[in-house]
Amino acid sequence: EAGVAQSPRYKIIEKRQSVAFWCNPISGHATLYWYQQILGQGPKLLIQFQNNGVVDDSQLPKDRFSAERLKGVDSTLKIQPAKLEDSAVYLCASGGSGVFTEAFFGQGTRLTVV
Amino acid sequence: GENVEQHPSTLSVQEGDSAVIKCTYSDSASNYFPWYKQELGKRPQLIIDIRSNVGEKKDQRIAVTLNKTAKHFSLHITETQPEDSAVYFCAASINYQLIWGAGTKLIIKP
Repeated sequence: EAGVAQSPRYKIIEKRQSVAFWCNPISGHATLYWYQQILGQGPKLLIQFQNNGVVDDSQLPKDRFSAERLKGVDSTLKIQPAKLEDSAVYLCASGGSGVFTEAFFGQGTRLTVV
Repeated sequence: GENVEQHPSTLSVQEGDSAVIKCTYSDSASNYFPWYKQELGKRPQLIIDIRSNVGEKKDQRIAVTLNKTAKHFSLHITETQPEDSAVYFCAASINYQLIWGAGTKLIIKP
């Protein structure tokens, strides 16, 4: 089966600019996650969707980050305006709707804010 | 909310020896415990998982044990090989949400 697709792979922007990341989950997966992984740390959940509804966005900095999942398939994550501390790898993952569901990760987008 | 602690943060073992990574969780309602391996520059991938109604699960050289009473679970890797070098993350699932540990960097010395 095709994996989770993310784009772009790399992005360099200046602080205060805006940026958007795109994710296409595995076909049929109801759950979609966006994670932020800072170098040397574990993934930090930013937002979790179940179909097109939000399950958890408690760690999403809502003053600058936004995410949407239209029609319960593709998703975009936006940062506006970016800060230096937003430099990280942004990982998208998808999984089934069950409790015991594996999360399949995309390759990630490495964001560098200068 | 749920909290997952993982130890050690770095583990260095001789090739061929065993490695053990431990995690503790705080919410007794957690019912699913996956382990992910992340090689340098790559995405995390599931290597083994265990459900709360099982005490132990094994898959070739890796095994996971779960102690629900003590609220801790462990990853065991036997006969370690160079390709086992990676960062390992434990996680606990509650209410369809995965809470991750901070990761353990496993170094296999030749």
